[in-house]
Amino acid sequence: QKEVEQNSGPLSVPEGAIASLNCTYSDRGSQSFFWYRQYSGKSPELIMFIYSNGDKEDGRFTAQLNKASQYVSLLIRDSQPSDSATYLCAAKTSYDKVIFGPGTSLSVIP
Amino acid sequence: ETGVTQTPRHLVMGMTNKKSLKCEQHLGHNAMYWYKQSAKKPLELMFVYNFKEQTENNSVPSRFSPECPNSSHLFLHLHTLQPEDSALYLCASSQDWGGAHREQFFGPGTRLTVL
Repeated sequence: QKEVEQNSGPLSVPEGAIASLNCTYSDRGSQSFFWYRQYSGKSPELIMFIYSNGDKEDGRFTAQLNKASQYVSLLIRDSQPSDSATYLCAAKTSYDKVIFGPGTSLSVIP
Repeated sequence: ETGVTQTPRHLVMGMTNKKSLKCEQHLGHNAMYWYKQSAKKPLELMFVYNFKEQTENNSVPSRFSPECPNSSHLFLHLHTLQPEDSALYLCASSQDWGGAHREQFFGPGTRLTVL
């Protein structure tokens, strides 16, 4: 079982819609979770981190964490073409490793 | 600009060459990392240095040799690489290693091609 899993996509949404990106993790003791955005040919950049159950909002982005279900998601409201990128989910595991998922490719259609 | 720089940005080398990748961070962080990103694969952690000491070696072949002379600089020395080592090599830093919520900041990466 892969430690951090994401749907590879591509996920296509129309401009202005809500994009929902999902991630599951296998280590129940994982402490912190990160969402990175990576444009093609660029390095990852941190968007959000979350470590408590529930929602965390920052502008158009909302991270949601459900530790019981071992599930973390990222919602992007009012999606823009500039949001088109690969979104990487990462988990800081109970053994202190940061494990990345394979990423979900998001395409926002004008 | 994240405060993490890497040189060179692109490198082409033969299998018998020796080259080095350099990373420098200007964020006052104490932990630095090397990652490998290959096409269609997740980011792979290679090495972790915390306060100049190597704390993680993720079963990396010995043809990759890291060096951390101080908390601001990290090198990756390359020797006798294979074509399958061609990838994007990313450096990252964070406040320290082991804290619960230490987000990492990435450099722009070095695109390595081994012929």
